[in-house]
Amino acid sequence: DADVTQTPRNRITKTGKRIMLECSQTKGHDRMYWYRQDPGLGLRLIYYSFDVKDINKGEISDGYSVSRQAQAKFSLSLESAIPNQTALYFCATRGTGASETQYFGPGTRLLVL
Amino acid sequence: QKEVEQNSGPLSVPEGAIASLNCTYSDRVSQSFFWYRQYSGKSPELIMSIYSNGDKEDGRFTAQLNKASQYVSLLIRDSQPSDSATYLCAVNTDKLIFGTGTRLQVFP
Repeated sequence: DADVTQTPRNRITKTGKRIMLECSQTKGHDRMYWYRQDPGLGLRLIYYSFDVKDINKGEISDGYSVSRQAQAKFSLSLESAIPNQTALYFCATRGTGASETQYFGPGTRLLVL
Repeated sequence: QKEVEQNSGPLSVPEGAIASLNCTYSDRVSQSFFWYRQYSGKSPELIMSIYSNGDKEDGRFTAQLNKASQYVSLLIRDSQPSDSATYLCAVNTDKLIFGTGTRLQVFP
């Protein structure tokens, strides 16, 4: 079984709709991250959480919110989706040491019409 | 200035050649550095990490770090068509910051 899972894997929605992307991990890591990836722009950090009570904005948090429901679960919400939020979204987890590997989920492909 | 910079490529090399991928970073306090490989539409996967100045070898891959020059590189020896992918450099501060990636094409 995959260590980091994301649901859904693909989603098509309309402008103005609220949607939630979910991430679960079985690695026991405290740190979880949400990124979006656009062609030519690499991976950009949206939000990150160092533990259940800690939520931090990344470089592109506007239009997004997150919830850390448990150590293993970290959800990303688009309150009112817009077309420029069409992208590939990745969840990732990592241990607390500086040398820890970051593990990525399989990604969610989102299309906002 | 971007925190982590890479040439977007594509870098085209013939099969069997050495591919050299480069990355510069701006934060001098960065302590750990990573190279990820990403196939189109797939999630990034770690291929190398390096923490100390010098070279680190793992099979056909060698990572090189020069903290004074704020430079990290990845060499791929005996390149194979299956190495064709985007290679992402990542630098750790309190979180991983990624470069935009270099697309590598290995042609037969």
